[in-house]
Amino acid sequence: AQRVTQPEKLLSVFKGAPVELKCNYSYSGSPELFWYVQYSRQRLQLLLRHISRESIKGFTADLNKGETSFHLKKPFAQEEDSAMYYCALSERNQGGKLIFGQGTELSVKP
Amino acid sequence: KAGVTQTPRYLIKTRGQQVTLSCSPISGHRSVSWYQQTPGQGLQFLFEYFSETQRNKGNFPGRFSGRQFSNSRSEMNVSTLELGDSALYLCASSLGQGFNSPLHFGNGTRLTVT
Repeated sequence: AQRVTQPEKLLSVFKGAPVELKCNYSYSGSPELFWYVQYSRQRLQLLLRHISRESIKGFTADLNKGETSFHLKKPFAQEEDSAMYYCALSERNQGGKLIFGQGTELSVKP
Repeated sequence: KAGVTQTPRYLIKTRGQQVTLSCSPISGHRSVSWYQQTPGQGLQFLFEYFSETQRNKGNFPGRFSGRQFSNSRSEMNVSTLELGDSALYLCASSLGQGFNSPLHFGNGTRLTVT
């Protein structure tokens, strides 16, 4: 069965520290992986997707098919990065149907 | 461009009643998806519509239904409400299917069933 696991409910770091939000998935085919973010009192929005191989707001994520992981990383956390982060998976060309992880709340302290 | 608009923002209903939620997608977007968000189950996919046709359906009972109109606006209906249906219902729109069409979410409708 398709599944996305985010093992940490809460991750707390100090400003300037490196951040890694973990995401593991189980899927038999070739999935598309995404990170969505929800800042306080804002709507859920796309942060980045594996197919684009881009860096957004200093965040990067590499798809590791061997370890079935798609961890989100940022070398130096900022206070404005504090938010809820969701890892999500979709089948290829089925972008409307996302399977979400439970989310990780990132708290960046000054 | 205006974002995805969901109405109403809040709803309080009684067990056994039915409810209809509305979603207006971003102009030009033809795909609309619905999600249920609860503290226990997180974000769960309900269904997706594209050009008035249901393309995908999640694992929810038949009490949950939806439709899409020719202008891409969508509605979802929940009949015979149960206490467990209390949740935030999110609508998301995109240009179409595929990774080139990321989802744009609305602010949601918070449904409380008493």
